[in-house]
Amino acid sequence: QKEVEQNSGPLSVPEGAIASLNCTYSDRGSQSFFWYRQYSGKSPELIMSIYSNGDKEDGRFTAQLNKASQYVSLLIRDSQPSDSATYLCAVKGGTPLVFGKGTRLSVIA
Amino acid sequence: DAGVIQSPRHEVTEMGQEVTLRCKPISGHDYLFWYRQTMMRGLELLIYFNNNVPIDDSGMPEDRFSAKMPNASFSTLKIQPSEPRDSAVYFCASSAQTGLLNIQYFGAGTRLSVL
Repeated sequence: QKEVEQNSGPLSVPEGAIASLNCTYSDRGSQSFFWYRQYSGKSPELIMSIYSNGDKEDGRFTAQLNKASQYVSLLIRDSQPSDSATYLCAVKGGTPLVFGKGTRLSVIA
Repeated sequence: DAGVIQSPRHEVTEMGQEVTLRCKPISGHDYLFWYRQTMMRGLELLIYFNNNVPIDDSGMPEDRFSAKMPNASFSTLKIQPSEPRDSAVYFCASSAQTGLLNIQYFGAGTRLSVL
């Protein structure tokens, strides 16, 4: 059974701080990793993808991947209240993505 | 592109009734996925299709659930008979196989309430 684990939160950070979201996965053969953001009552939307070890930066977002430790993280710099949402980690080994249950982030103004 | 289109957006029905959810994937995408999301269980994959053919339906909870994809631009998820525990948000997603970067795009979802 392929599993993706996330802390459900809520993770509360003050506005302007760095939010750090973490995810571990069980399938060592996983090749691609994704972070989706889901606002309350909305559908998941992709914000980051990564498939090589190391860091990948896109604006205020940085995805970090460590395949040896089976660990992927998302850093959000200069957090804004508009970043308050649930963040879903998704892992691809075979064709279907395996999603974690998500971490709820709350950015306090 | 209009994105993945789902209908209806909201469905309220009574226990025992048949429910049909509809999905139009993004044109050119050859994978289609049906998910169910609840607070308790998160986002669960129910079934997925490749080139209109069902590949894995192991996530379908019971025989009351069925899904079809008669052509590349349309899919349905049917629940018959519906039960209160089927109340959830049902998402359809589609993707194009592009190697490692197999990005799934989600529809707006159908919020189902079974009374």
